Amino acid sequence: GQNIDQPTEMTATEGAIVQINCTYQTSGFNGLFWYQQHAGEAPTFLSYNVLDGLEEKGRFSSFLSRSKGYSYLLLKELQMKDSASYLCAVRPPNRDDKIIFGKGTRLHILP
Amino acid sequence: GAGVSQSPSNKVTEKGKDVELRCDPISGHTALYWYRQRLGQGLEFLIYFQGNSAPDKSGLPSDRFSAERTGESVSTLTIQRTQQEDSAVYLCASTIAGGDEQYFGPGTRLTVT
Repeated sequence: GQNIDQPTEMTATEGAIVQINCTYQTSGFNGLFWYQQHAGEAPTFLSYNVLDGLEEKGRFSSFLSRSKGYSYLLLKELQMKDSASYLCAVRPPNRDDKIIFGKGTRLHILP
Repeated sequence: GAGVSQSPSNKVTEKGKDVELRCDPISGHTALYWYRQRLGQGLEFLIYFQGNSAPDKSGLPSDRFSAERTGESVSTLTIQRTQQEDSAVYLCASTIAGGDEQYFGPGTRLTVT
C-alpha cells in the first residue's frame, strides 16, 4: 500500500525561505509530484522527481531521496501569492496504476 | 488548447435528490480521475479510469456513488439520494497515461441543503 505524510500547516514570512517535507512508505515507487492549490482553485503541477537529487525551477526547488522515502519542496523569496496548499503525490511503479496524493500542507505567508 | 472542463460549476440540490456531474477531459488523455475535496481538506480519491481497463472504484464512499466513462471521452459522476455530507467540490483530472502529470478541471461545487 501507500502512505504519504506531510505537515498539515506551516507559516512563513514574506521574503523568507520555507521547506515543506513529504515522507512516503510505499510498496513501490516511480516518481513524486508536487502540486500547488490556491484556495477555491484546482491543483496545478509544480514538479516531478524520478531520480535522487535537487531540481530547481525558479524560486521553487524539489528534492528527492528514494532510499529514505523523503522529498521536500523548497520555496525561496516567499511572496504573499505563495499562500496555498502544497500537495505531494506518489507515482506507483505500474504506469497504469493511480497516483496517490497526500493530504497537503497549508502554507500561510505573513507580511 | 482546451483544458479539462467540468459542468456544472455550481450545483445546489435538496437532500435526497440525485445529481449528475460531468467531466470533459483533454482530448487524447487515456486516464481520468474523480476526486472529492471538502472545505479545507485534502483530495479524496473516488474513481480512476485508464483506457479500456476496468475502473478502479476503490475510493467510492458508498453505493450511492457511481461513475461512467465512454471510451476516452466524457465521464459522468452520479450521486444518488444526496446527503448533506456529500457537499464538497468534485474535481476531475486527466492524464496522457496512468501516472503522468494530471491536469485538473475547475471542479463542481456541490451543496446539499
